[in-house]
Amino acid sequence: QSVLTQPPSASGTPGQRVTISCSGSSSNIGSNTVNWYQQLPGTAPKLLIYSNNQRPSGVPDRFSGSKSGTSASLAISGLQSEDEADYYCAAWDDSLNGQVVFGGGTKLTVL
Amino acid sequence: QLQLQESGPGLVKPSETLSLTCTVSGGSISSSSYYWGWIRQPPGKGLEWIGSIYYSGSTYYNPSLKSRVTISVDTSKNQFSLKLSSVTAADTAVYYCARHLLGYSYGYFHYFDYWGQGTLVTVSS
Repeated sequence: QSVLTQPPSASGTPGQRVTISCSGSSSNIGSNTVNWYQQLPGTAPKLLIYSNNQRPSGVPDRFSGSKSGTSASLAISGLQSEDEADYYCAAWDDSLNGQVVFGGGTKLTVL
Repeated sequence: QLQLQESGPGLVKPSETLSLTCTVSGGSISSSSYYWGWIRQPPGKGLEWIGSIYYSGSTYYNPSLKSRVTISVDTSKNQFSLKLSSVTAADTAVYYCARHLLGYSYGYFHYFDYWGQGTLVTVSS
């Protein structure tokens, strides 16, 4: 059972806009920033969004993040086949002297 | 370009200690503001943070693994290491090392921006 809650799956057709949610609590998302990682099959995770809505260099602006209260969302616009991957949210949790917590991951399928 | 590479045995017997090393190249492990972390992923499952270390030796551990985990750093070799004791089949996973930015400004901000390719460790007799 992950501390952050994500839907296990999401899907969309090419060109569509999809969103993936991440729900937490006051000790993690409610207090600290959220990151998103993309994991393509058989590869290491890649930082996609940091500090709620910032994109590292090289990440297309089709990817955007937002946070409100104890929830966060990742939006992908202009969906492409290469976006098919697992997506994970993460945040720092203030409980028990501090720890990193991840969501359980969302498998995005491009139909 | 910063690169991280995990190394260590791919097979560990139950009840023994898993030991992995992460070698950092293209940058210094003594860089300020950066911790260095371990994350694992059991086959077909999600990511689990194990712990992170600063070059000074300061550590944060996952509370659920803390009693079995030791993370250390060797700045002279630009390496950091993971030891996980009393392993069981549940510890079978791909283990990743990563650079971990961790700071505080009106709340904690953190992220893992550079990752190793990962190494599969299987716990089996």
